[in-house]
Amino acid sequence: DGGITQSPKYLFRKEGQNVTLSCEQNLNHDAMYWYRQDPGQGLRLIYYSQIVNDFQKGDIAEGYSVSREKKESFPLTVTSAQKNPTAFYLCASSARWGLAFDNEQFFGPGTRLTVL
Amino acid sequence: GQQLNQSPQSMFIQEGEDVSMNCTSSSIFNTWLWYKQEPGEGPVLLIALYKAGELTSNGRLTAQFGITRKDSFLNISASIPSDVGIYFCAGQLNAGNMLTFGGGTRLMVKP
Repeated sequence: DGGITQSPKYLFRKEGQNVTLSCEQNLNHDAMYWYRQDPGQGLRLIYYSQIVNDFQKGDIAEGYSVSREKKESFPLTVTSAQKNPTAFYLCASSARWGLAFDNEQFFGPGTRLTVL
Repeated sequence: GQQLNQSPQSMFIQEGEDVSMNCTSSSIFNTWLWYKQEPGEGPVLLIALYKAGELTSNGRLTAQFGITRKDSFLNISASIPSDVGIYFCAGQLNAGNMLTFGGGTRLMVKP
C-alpha cells in the first residue's frame, strides 16, 4: 500500500537530548512537510521541502532541523534548543510543488513526543 | 499573516442529526481543503475545492467554496458515531503557497 509512515508512534526523551523523528513516503511525492500540533490547536508548519536536497523554514523552525537526502525520506530532529518540544508531530507530502491539483497534502499517522 | 477562523470550536450532537461548520478568512484563498483527524492519528483529506461557488460531495459530506473566496462550509448529513473527530479547514492562496489551517471543529456524536 502507498502511504506515509512515521516512527515511532510514541517517543520519550529526557530534557537536553536531541531526538530524530522518521518520515517515509512511497507515494513518489516531490514535496514533504513537518507540522507541530499542540492540544486543542491547529497545525503549525516547522519545515518543508519542495524537492530532494532542498528545504525551507516554516513558521516555527527554531530548535528544529531537517534533511532531504532521498525523495522518500524527510527526518526531523528536535534539538535541545527547542524550548517546549512536547507535542504531536505530523509529516505530510504532496505530489508536486506549484500545481494546485497536485498540491493536496496527505498526512502520516503522527509521532507523539514527550519530554520528561 | 492570514488567519482562518473555524466555528463552532466544538459540537455535541445526537446521532442522525445534520452538522454544519464553517471557516472564514480575513483574506481570499483560491483553494480550500477539509480534513478529518481522529484521536492520535494524522488528518485525512475529505474534500478539496478549487473554484469559488463550487459545491462538492463525498458521501454524506458536502463542502462549498464561498463565492467571496473568504469562506468555506462543511455539512455532514445524518451523523453517525464514527463521524467523531476534529475537522480542519485549510486554505491556500496560490499553488506555490503553503496551507493555512484553521483551529478545528471538534465533533462529538451521541449514539
